[in-house]
Amino acid sequence: GAVVSQHPSRVICKSGTSVKIECRSLDFQATTMFWYRQFPKQSLMLMATSNEGSKATYEQGVEKDKFLINHASLTLSTLTVTSAHPEDSSFYICSASISGGGQYPKQYFGPGTRLTVL
Amino acid sequence: GENVEQHPSTLSVQEGDSAVIKCTYSDSASNYFPWYKQELGKGPQLIIDIRSNVGEKKDQRIAVTLNKTAKHFSLHITETQPEDSAVYFCAASEGNFNKFYFGSGTKLNVKP
Repeated sequence: GAVVSQHPSRVICKSGTSVKIECRSLDFQATTMFWYRQFPKQSLMLMATSNEGSKATYEQGVEKDKFLINHASLTLSTLTVTSAHPEDSSFYICSASISGGGQYPKQYFGPGTRLTVL
Repeated sequence: GENVEQHPSTLSVQEGDSAVIKCTYSDSASNYFPWYKQELGKGPQLIIDIRSNVGEKKDQRIAVTLNKTAKHFSLHITETQPEDSAVYFCAASEGNFNKFYFGSGTKLNVKP
């Protein structure tokens, strides 16, 4: 149980194009989804927190117009990197959170998306 | 906000030995502490977690201990195997708010 998928797993695009990454919780409904960015040999950097049907909350320093997040349902969130540039190349990981029933929220991570901008 | 520090950054052990990774946190309100294992090119996988009302939790070869007074928690892996080689991250969360604060990671290398 608690499987999170991401699509695509890898994407290579030209500078200036936009890229959409999907995150799905396959066997549960996620109250909250999170988007992280990870540089090589570094920890996960939280970019934004997303709740279904409401606007995402972005962390300080993350451009909301650059990284568009849409959380359309309890099982799907998308991250669109607009007008991508080489410095946006990174490993993007989503997580989905299960809470409720007196349990502490647990985050389950997707397999990640490797974005390379040429 | 919360600050989580993790040590060591790299750890090499011989197969069969034990490995210990330590984390400290700063916010006394944090009450949930998960540990994740990340293999190369993959997303982190939850391996064990502990809540602040518990001092220790075990799951086969993996255990986590928590000292609330000192604000530190540790991951213990016994009888290590080469497939335990990965990067391990600790995290702290004030459960009600969902947000996790991650440590900087420990690269564990288990030598056969």
